[in-house]
Amino acid sequence: DAKTTQPNSMESNEEEPVHLPCNHSTISGTDYIHWYRQLPSQGPEYVIHGLTSNVNNRMASLAIAEDRKSSTLILHRATLRDAAVYYCILGDGVGSQGNLIFGKGTKLSVKP
Amino acid sequence: DGGITQSPKYLFRKEGQNVTLSCEQNLNHDAMYWYRQDPGQGLRLIYYSQIVNDFQKGDIAEGYSVSREKKESFPLTVTSAQKNPTAFYLCASSILGDTGELFFGEGSRLTVL
Repeated sequence: DAKTTQPNSMESNEEEPVHLPCNHSTISGTDYIHWYRQLPSQGPEYVIHGLTSNVNNRMASLAIAEDRKSSTLILHRATLRDAAVYYCILGDGVGSQGNLIFGKGTKLSVKP
Repeated sequence: DGGITQSPKYLFRKEGQNVTLSCEQNLNHDAMYWYRQDPGQGLRLIYYSQIVNDFQKGDIAEGYSVSREKKESFPLTVTSAQKNPTAFYLCASSILGDTGELFFGEGSRLTVL
């Protein structure tokens, strides 16, 4: 069973920031938080991952709550190409990628 | 360019026929994975392999078989024992022991008529 809870869908306007929430109240101390996104008829694409501290990369930022029971993926300026299904996933540390459980994710729509 | 190549992209087969999906990677990754995705659903793990000549069952291995004779290749056979094989199949790879990125192929869409 998926260990994270995400909204089924969200909408955003182009060039505005998007905050995608994820709840993971049963997260363990060794669980990493991973985000992937999937465009229609394509394989998922890695976005970002983190353990405790907030993380930034060229695609997005990951804000992790102090108690680690929730996190938020931040897209700073949404573009039409960001329309995708976003998956928030927990992985229990080293070598766990194959055990990542992809739930239904959040379908993000971006309006021009 | 480095990456994962899945073939064919689309495949149609008659019921009762075995089908083999190809997955090749040139990323020098030790670990490789097969996932199945049904419409509107998440991904479910079929098989994974962390080293040549060794592989483990995932959550839905029944009706599927794999081999790992070479580091670069991890083919998946959908056998006639798989009751509902029509789905989108995704292959992935990663650095063994890493906490980071899982690299996916473009997927193979299998339709059983």
